Formats: sequence, structure tokens, C-alpha cells
Amino acid sequence: NAGVTQTPKFRVLKTGQSMTLLCAQDMNHEYMYWYRQDPGMGLRLIHYSVGEGTTAKGEVPDGYNVSRLKKQNFLLGLESAAPSQTSVYFCASRKTAGRETQYFGPGTRLLVL
Amino acid sequence: AQSVAQPEDQVNVAEGNPLTVKCTYSVSGNPYLFWYVQYPNRGLQFLLKYITGDNLVKGSYGFEAEFNKSQTSFHLKKPSALVSDSALYFCAVRDMNGNNRLAFGKGNQVVVIP
Repeated sequence: NAGVTQTPKFRVLKTGQSMTLLCAQDMNHEYMYWYRQDPGMGLRLIHYSVGEGTTAKGEVPDGYNVSRLKKQNFLLGLESAAPSQTSVYFCASRKTAGRETQYFGPGTRLLVL
Repeated sequence: AQSVAQPEDQVNVAEGNPLTVKCTYSVSGNPYLFWYVQYPNRGLQFLLKYITGDNLVKGSYGFEAEFNKSQTSFHLKKPSALVSDSALYFCAVRDMNGNNRLAFGKGNQVVVIP
């Protein structure tokens, strides 16, 4: 049981390039989330999904797109990377009920030059 | 909308002394409250949560937290801090009324001095 995994661990992009971050969970969780973590700002929700085939916007969705084609995977895409998107990105998942704990992946460190 | 405040940027404590990390919250209904810890270059690890029942919640690594509804607080405590407790601590809250989102505080850096 690997929990929540993220690939890649680290990436450097040039402004304007695109990339996709992959999150995978093997806990059969319904809900999945993408956050970004910046110094002094805690975690901010980018997008989330309450089930396969559904996605919704979080606090800071601009510049990102997501897809949840399979229950176990949640993809975060950057169509045209900007330096402001330099951050550490965390994926998380949880079961349906609100009282359930949210589990996090190890993070992806992204540097946009 | 729910929100969390962690008023201190950094908490310094001597090894062996009690550790307290403060958290206050705001929700429209009853809260689900969580504490997470983040070690350097790692993801967030779950420590403990309050759902209902006893106001004193015990969690991993000897940590506990006390839910105080009148003060809307959920402070994290440990009776005797270890150097290995040095990390970033996040408080988070979810509204019990069907809200899907977990709101995080900005985090507190805890430094335990040997």
C-alpha cells in the first residue's frame, strides 16, 4: 500500500513550457486535491475532485487545469508555465465522509525560470 | 467560509520543556479539526483530529490537542519536546456541513533547542 504518490519529484521549466504532474493513490479514495505551498502562505487549494470524471476549482485555479479520468489518478497541468508558478505542489486524497483524514503525497518541487 | 489562524510564525522551546502551538478557527457550523506536521523536504503527515466527543484528543508521537468551542481554539501540545519535533506544524479545519475543503493555517515553525 503506497498511499499517495507524486511524479516527478522535481522539475525545472522555462517560462511558457507546459507540463503535467501526476498524482496516484491506491486507497480507493473518492476525493483528491491539488495544493500549492509557498513560504508564509500555508497550503492553498488549486483544484479538487469528488469522484472519477469530476473536477472543481479551489482558491487559486488560474493557470492550471486538472483531469480525473481514473479514480486512482489526478493530473495537474500547466499549459504555459510562469515564474509565479514556482512552488511545491502537494496532492492529497481522502474517503468520501467529511470526518475522514486527508492523506498527502511527498510533493513536487517546480522551478519556473 | 472556514479559516484558520496560527498567530506565531516560529515557536522556540528547549528540549524537555512543554511545547504549545496555537490555533484558532472560524467556521459557520461545527468543525472537524486537524493537525499535520511537515518535516524538511517531506509531505504533510497527519498527527491528530477532533471530530466529536472528548475535547482532549491524543495523537501520534506523544502530541495532543484540546478543542475549546467557546474560544474557537485547537492548540497542539506536547508535555516534553524532543529535538526531533523540530518541524513545520499546520492546523486545518473543515466545516461539518458538507463542505469538501480543508482550510489550512499558514503554519508554525517549531524549533526545539538541545
